[in-house]
Amino acid sequence: DADVTQTPRNRITKTGKRIMLECSQTKGHDRMYWYRQDPGLGLRLIYYSFDVKDINKGEISDGYSVSRQAQAKFSLSLESAIPNQTALYFCATSTTDTQYFGPGTRLTVL
Amino acid sequence: RKEVEQDPGPFNVPEGATVAFNCTYSNSASQSFFWYRQDCRKEPKLLMSVYSSGNEDGRFTAQLNRASQYISLLIRDSKLSDSATYLCAVLHPDTGRRALTFGSGTRLQVQP
Repeated sequence: DADVTQTPRNRITKTGKRIMLECSQTKGHDRMYWYRQDPGLGLRLIYYSFDVKDINKGEISDGYSVSRQAQAKFSLSLESAIPNQTALYFCATSTTDTQYFGPGTRLTVL
Repeated sequence: RKEVEQDPGPFNVPEGATVAFNCTYSNSASQSFFWYRQDCRKEPKLLMSVYSSGNEDGRFTAQLNRASQYISLLIRDSKLSDSATYLCAVLHPDTGRRALTFGSGTRLQVQP
């Protein structure tokens, strides 16, 4: 089984809809991250969490929120999706500075 | 100026060639450095960490030049399977966040 899993893997939604992306890990890592990837822009940090009670904004947090339900689970929500949030979303975990990524969620907002 | 910059490529090289990529970073206080490999539409996977003294893993050699603020990745004897996008990642501790900043990647295409 994969150490870092993301659900759903693909999602098409409409503008204005609320959507949640979920991430689970079995690596036992305390740190978890959400990134989005757009062509030509690389990976950009949305939010990160170093433990269940710790939530931090990244460089592009506007329009997103997160929830760290447990050490192993970190969810990303788009309260009201807009088309420019169409992207590939990755969850990552780490125990030191080295990060390990989930398989990604491809989100399309129409 | 971007915090971490890479030449997007593509670098088109024949099998067996040696190819090198550079990645520049803007923050002189940066600490940890990494190279990740990403195949099309897949997640980035750690290729290697970059140590101050330089390090080698098989056909791959990574080096850090703090004076000029760049890291490099050298691939010797390129294989078709090396075709991918290579992302560099840097940790900037004084931004207040212990999360990696990634370059936008350099695409490598190894041709038969």
